[in-house]
Amino acid sequence: EAGVTQFPSHSVIEKGQTVTLRCDPISGHDNLYWYRRVMGKEIKFLLHFVKESKQDESGMPNNRFLAERTGGTYSTLKVQPAELEDSGVYFCASSQDWGSPGTDKNIQYFGAGTRLSVL
Amino acid sequence: KQEVTQIPAALSVPEGENLVLNCSFTDSAIYNLQWFRQDPGKGLTSLLLIQSSQREQTSGRLNASLDKSSGRSTLYIAASQPGDSATYLCAVRRGDSGGGADGLTFGKGTHLIIQP
Repeated sequence: EAGVTQFPSHSVIEKGQTVTLRCDPISGHDNLYWYRRVMGKEIKFLLHFVKESKQDESGMPNNRFLAERTGGTYSTLKVQPAELEDSGVYFCASSQDWGSPGTDKNIQYFGAGTRLSVL
Repeated sequence: KQEVTQIPAALSVPEGENLVLNCSFTDSAIYNLQWFRQDPGKGLTSLLLIQSSQREQTSGRLNASLDKSSGRSTLYIAASQPGDSATYLCAVRRGDSGGGADGLTFGKGTHLIIQP
């Protein structure tokens, strides 16, 4: 079974350009999460999808970031326009469930991440 | 606001030693706690998940404990091997009665080196 896959693995863009990151969750996982880690900081939550709906986007830093999950399958995270401080590693994770207490269905499985460098 | 702290930030020990990594969190209203490892340039690999009602979980040479009331978790690694070298991350998910976001709150990690 394929794990969480992210594309591209590395992206280098100039300030002001647009970049789109893609995440394919584990098949059958309704829950999809985006996180990012900027240099020297801990990994921070950005948003949570349940199927195609945004359950929680409280971690999104500003309106230059737009996440979509059309059809409830793969998700994209667009940064437009990119700024220097957006550089970091963007992780995607998925889980089978979110609200089932006492089960392993809540385990979040992470992709390898996309390293974004804004010059 | 939930904050997660991991101590030590870095640790280097000879192969074969048993070791303990520490994780503390400020809000005890958690749903569960996950330990991950991250190898350089790779994603996060889930090691253990402890539900809020559990005290410990074991997987092979790994044992994780949880003391929710004191806001602490430990990851015990027995008979360490060079292949255990990685960064270990602790993350908590808020409970239904806790505030904050849906996602996991991470610590900065412990960078572990096992010397052959």
